[in-house]
Amino acid sequence: DTGVSQDPRHKITKRGQNVTFRCDPISEHNRLYWYRQTLGQGPEFLTYFQNEAQLEKSRLLSDRFSAERPKGSFSTLEIQRTEQGDSAMYLCASSLGAGNSNQPQHFGDGTRLSIL
Amino acid sequence: AQSVTQLDSHVSVSEGTPVLLRCNYSSSYSPSLFWYVQHPNKGLQLLLKYTSAATLVKGINGFEAEFKKSETSFHLTKPSAHMSDAAEYFCVVSDGGSQGNLIFGKGTKLSVKP
Repeated sequence: DTGVSQDPRHKITKRGQNVTFRCDPISEHNRLYWYRQTLGQGPEFLTYFQNEAQLEKSRLLSDRFSAERPKGSFSTLEIQRTEQGDSAMYLCASSLGAGNSNQPQHFGDGTRLSIL
Repeated sequence: AQSVTQLDSHVSVSEGTPVLLRCNYSSSYSPSLFWYVQHPNKGLQLLLKYTSAATLVKGINGFEAEFKKSETSFHLTKPSAHMSDAAEYFCVVSDGGSQGNLIFGKGTKLSVKP
């Protein structure tokens, strides 16, 4: 299966620790997105990459959050000094797009973060 | 600004009966609309998409949705529910930017009774 892959599937950590998640998109997809989903809610957009360039960040993405896509392939999302409110499912999606044309986004199974 | 409202947080049907999941959208232009499904502890799977072609859109697993501009609706239907359809369903609109960021509704949980 060559879908979007996320690692780890689950992460449990103590408040104040740093965590890093990885996303491997579908190989030919140039666009990569991060979303956050809290219990009982739909996913909310966090940030977006086209190739290696981070082109948009939501105001939900505080300065404790940083995302990278160094070679335009996989991406990492790091949360520093985690807080209780960071507990959520973090979803990665990828798509093929050019200009104003976008193919649908394909999602990974997510990383569930629990802050103790 | 674009938004979607899913009118029911929970829908329960019996196996073999029709499914109707309701969604209204708000958009200042002709939107791109999607329905995604999410099974427990899994990512989202695209069911179908509307991008200003045919107003009746057929998707996977027997689902379809009809775009009604006059009613600003994009309801999801299926003639006959199957046990495996039990999941969370999200109505989604693209934010209209070139990057295609998605704006999700709060979701409708579909339960299917035997």
